[in-house]
This record gives sequence, C-alpha cells and structure tokens, in this order.
Amino acid sequence: NAGVTQTPKFQVLKTGQSMTLQCAQDMNHNSMYWYRQDPGMGLRLIYYSASEGTTDKGEVPNGYNVSRLNKREFSLRLESAAPSQTSVYFCASSELGRAETFGSGTRLTVV
Amino acid sequence: GESVGLHLPTLSVQEGDNSIINCAYSNSASDYFIWYKQESGKGPQFIIDIRSNMDKRQGQRVTVLLNKTVKHLSLQIAATQPGDSAVYFCADSRGEYGNKLVFGAGTILRVKS
Repeated sequence: NAGVTQTPKFQVLKTGQSMTLQCAQDMNHNSMYWYRQDPGMGLRLIYYSASEGTTDKGEVPNGYNVSRLNKREFSLRLESAAPSQTSVYFCASSELGRAETFGSGTRLTVV
Repeated sequence: GESVGLHLPTLSVQEGDNSIINCAYSNSASDYFIWYKQESGKGPQFIIDIRSNMDKRQGQRVTVLLNKTVKHLSLQIAATQPGDSAVYFCADSRGEYGNKLVFGAGTILRVKS
C-alpha cells in the first residue's frame, strides 16, 4: 500500500521551461490536493479536486494548471516556470471530512 | 492557523518531559482541526484530529485540546522522545472551502537527550 506517490522527487528547471508534476493515490480517495511549501512556512493550497472531474483554485493558483486524470491521478503543470516557483510541492488526498494523506514531495528549483 | 513568517517558533524540551505546542486559528467557522508532524525531507504525517463539537481528544502519547472561545488549539506530547523532533503544524478546515486545510507556519520541536 503505497499511499500517495509523487514523481519526480527532484527537478531543476530553467526559467520559462514547462513541466508536469505527477501524483497518484491508491486509497480510493475522492479528493486530491496540491500544496507548495516555502522555507519556514506552512503549506499553501494551489489547486484541489473535490472529486473526479472537478478542479478548483486554492490560495495560490497563479502560474499553475491541474488535471484530474482519473480518480487516482492528479497532475500539476507549470507552463512557464519562474524562480518564484522554486519550492517543495506536496500532493495529498483525502475523503471529505477526514485528514489528508501527503506524498513525500517534489523539490523544484527554477534557475 | 496563522502565519508567523520566516522565523518559526522553537520549543526545546528534555527527553522524557512533556511538550505542549500551541496554535491559534482565526476563522470561527472552522470545524475540523488536525495536527501534522513533518520530519526533515518528508511530507507531513497525520498525528491527531479533533472536530469542533469536542474540546479534547487523546491518542497514543498525544492529546489535542481545542478552545473555541479563544480560537486556540494545543498539542500535548507525553514523555517526549528524540524521535519526536520535527516541525509540527496545525491545520484547520474552513467552512467555505469544504475539506481544504489552512496550515499554520509550524513550530520546531527539539528534544534534548
């Protein structure tokens, strides 16, 4: 039982490059989330998907897009990476009203 | 939770002592609260949760207290061990966002042997 799996674990991008962060969960959860965590700060919600087929903006959505590919998978795309998007990105999943289970994170550096 | 910026508060305790980590939240509509533990290089790990219809909940070596009057949440860790050293985050779920959590900035717990 892997829980929430994120790929890649590390990535370095040049400014303007694009990439997609992948996330998959095997707990049959309906809801999935993408957060970013900057040094010395808590997690901030980028986008979420309450259920398959729906996505909504969180607190810091600018510069990102998401796709809920199916119930298991929720991807985060950076179309044109900027240095301000250097961060650690966490994917999570949950059932409504229950605590979120997090992946181990993707450490992204934009140079 | 509330953000305290780049300088996380730090709690240093002696191994075997009890630890109390505090958190303030701002939205009186929040009805679900969670404590997470995050070790270096890892994702947040669920510790314990509590709903707004309760004021205390106990787990294994941990207790969460909720004071809705002053919008305060605390995590008590009994007999703190070196493995408890981590950053601890509180998170609350706000009514208008459904299950989406709002995280505080975190508290660093350092356990001295």
